[in-house]
Amino acid sequence: DGGITQSPKYLFRKEGQNVTLSCEQNLNHDAMYWYRQDPGQGLRLIYYSQIVNDFQKGDIAEGYSVSREKKESFPLTVTSAQKNPTAFYLCASSIAREDEQYFGPGTRLTVT
Amino acid sequence: QKEVEQDPGPLSVPEGAIVSLNCTYSNSAFQYFMWYRQYSRKGPELLMYTYSSGNKEDGRFTAQVDKSSKYISLFIRDSQPSDSATYLCAMSGSGANSKLTFGKGITLSVRP
Repeated sequence: DGGITQSPKYLFRKEGQNVTLSCEQNLNHDAMYWYRQDPGQGLRLIYYSQIVNDFQKGDIAEGYSVSREKKESFPLTVTSAQKNPTAFYLCASSIAREDEQYFGPGTRLTVT
Repeated sequence: QKEVEQDPGPLSVPEGAIVSLNCTYSNSAFQYFMWYRQYSRKGPELLMYTYSSGNKEDGRFTAQVDKSSKYISLFIRDSQPSDSATYLCAMSGSGANSKLTFGKGITLSVRP
């Protein structure tokens, strides 16, 4: 089955700890994205990558970091510098930057 | 003015009703228009993808784009309780630097 997987589904962390969210796709898509979804705010772009070993900041990159060492994988690290990290995080991919995006199931991160 | 505006809802209709969901936008460079459906605590699922103005039909769903009015719509015929979800419009321009801009979503409830 082709698709996007995110793990874990739920993640709990203490304030001050870094945490890494996993995103893997087997769709052979070049472009991958991370979004954050908060109630009433819609989806906001954190980072995106159009090709391996390259990535760009989105609208709300502060406090986050990413890597793209393999085409299939685009992990997101939420650092302790992110002031309000509790949110629903969504990973997506597309064939190319301007094409329709397909989303993973999401990871709900709670930081206390 | 926000780039993409979507009726905030929520919207509640009886089973079998025709549903009309709408978004307006301000950026005339947008050429690709999408509708996503998101069930609670799940990732968004691509429903419809259209390019430029016109209509596109897929089963009970019809997407309509009017670029001259900067207005897009999603119609759902014979609505079912399983259509109860949040619907997000999204749009982008063309080119490698384009990004997908989302509406905030509207929650639809179809009453049996």
